[in-house]
Amino acid sequence: AQTVTQSQPEMSVQEAETVTLSCTYDTSESNYYLFWYKQPPSRQMILVIRQEAYKQQNATENRFSVNFQKAAKSFSLKISDSQLGDTAMYFCALGSGSRLTFGEGTQLTVNP
Amino acid sequence: SQTIHQWPATLVQPVGSPLSLECTVEGTSNPNLYWYRQAAGRGLQLLFYSVGIGQISSEVPQNLSASRPQDRQFILSSKKLLLSDSGFYLCAWASGTSIWGDTQYFGPGTRLTVL
Repeated sequence: AQTVTQSQPEMSVQEAETVTLSCTYDTSESNYYLFWYKQPPSRQMILVIRQEAYKQQNATENRFSVNFQKAAKSFSLKISDSQLGDTAMYFCALGSGSRLTFGEGTQLTVNP
Repeated sequence: SQTIHQWPATLVQPVGSPLSLECTVEGTSNPNLYWYRQAAGRGLQLLFYSVGIGQISSEVPQNLSASRPQDRQFILSSKKLLLSDSGFYLCAWASGTSIWGDTQYFGPGTRLTVL
């Protein structure tokens, strides 16, 4: 069975600062994808970033980047220059085949 | 481009009443389709997924059922709602082309309250 663990239920950061959200996972698959999704107060799930496990290079999308440590089964999300609009619940997810397994989420609050 | 619609956006139903939530996808063919439920402040629980018309996989035995009458239409139903069916229901689609994990794209969701 696959599991995803987000050990930080809540985090806060000051506007313009950098914050890192943690995620660990467990899988017996050798090939898989990892995702970070954002869920703002509207509750629409929005894809933030995706990482293919076979790629060693960490994925980046503008202010969002990941630190993917395959051996440690760790997949953290770094948000640089935090903005008020980044306030949301962030979910880490592990994909294998046709399914995604989600963590319980981290509520991030960006303070002005 | 692809878009995914869900309706209704909000629904308040009495216990014991039937339920029908609809999800449709535009701009793609033969997608994988998913129904999730999310309790307040919690993660997503996969309820059903479908890889084609009439093909439904159930993840959690419960009071709900799903159907896929058309390629891009996915319906979540119940004959008699329970209080525990309250929650936020999300539909998602994926291309179904990757054996290692497809990106799933989500609809806006339906907030269901059972009284």
